[in-house]
Amino acid sequence: GENVGLHLPTLSVQEGDNSIINCAYSNSASDYFIWYKQESGKGPQFIIDIRSNMDKRQGQRVTVLLNKTVKHLSLQIAATQPGDSAVYFCAEYTGNQFYFGTGTSLTVIP
Amino acid sequence: NAGVMQNPRHLVRRRGQEARLRCSPVKGHSHVYWYRQLPEEGLKFMVYLQKENIIDESGMPKERFSAEFPKEGPSILRIQQVVRGDSAAYFCASSPRGFKETQYFGPGTRLLVL
Repeated sequence: GENVGLHLPTLSVQEGDNSIINCAYSNSASDYFIWYKQESGKGPQFIIDIRSNMDKRQGQRVTVLLNKTVKHLSLQIAATQPGDSAVYFCAEYTGNQFYFGTGTSLTVIP
Repeated sequence: NAGVMQNPRHLVRRRGQEARLRCSPVKGHSHVYWYRQLPEEGLKFMVYLQKENIIDESGMPKERFSAEFPKEGPSILRIQQVVRGDSAAYFCASSPRGFKETQYFGPGTRLLVL
C-alpha cells in the first residue's frame, strides 16, 4: 500500500502562534491531497485540499503547500487557537483510492 | 443542512454476534465510502458504493464483512461473527460525485467486541 506519513506525531504551540504540520507521501503520481482535522470522538473534518497542478492554496487561516519534488505536503495554521487542538492528517489520492496518514496531534497552549 | 449521519455511535457486541452499522450520506450524495480506523492508525479504505452498486471493495476483508447501499435507505456495513480484532471506529463518508472528490465524513461508529 501507499505510505503517507507525518514527520512529528505531536506538536504543541502557544495560542496565537503559527502551526506547521508536515506530511510526506510516497507516490509521485498522486495528484490530489486533502487535509483533515479530527477532534476526539468525532469524524474527520475537511480543512483544505490541493491538486497537483498547484503549489499553494489558501483558506481561512490555513495554507497548504505542496512540494512535488520532495513529495511533501504541509499545513500552516495562522494564529492558532485553542479550538484548533485536534489530530490533523493528510490524505493522498492515488490508484483510485485515498490513503490516509496516522496524523499529528496538535495541542494549543493557552 | 444535515451532514453524514451514522448510527449507532457506539456498539458493543460479544464474539460471534453480528454488527450492523448504518450510514446516511449527505442529502444529494450518491457515493458512499466506508473506512476503518484502529487506535493510533490512519483511516483504511474498505469499500466504495453507489446506489445499489459496489464500485470498489478491495479494502474489505473477504469473509464476514459485507456492505450495501440500497436504492432507498441508508448504507449498511455488516460484520458477521465478530471477533475482538474487529473492534475499531468505522467511518462513513459521502461525496456528490466519484472517488476523487472531497469526501465528507460522519461521526463514526465505535465498535467494541467483548
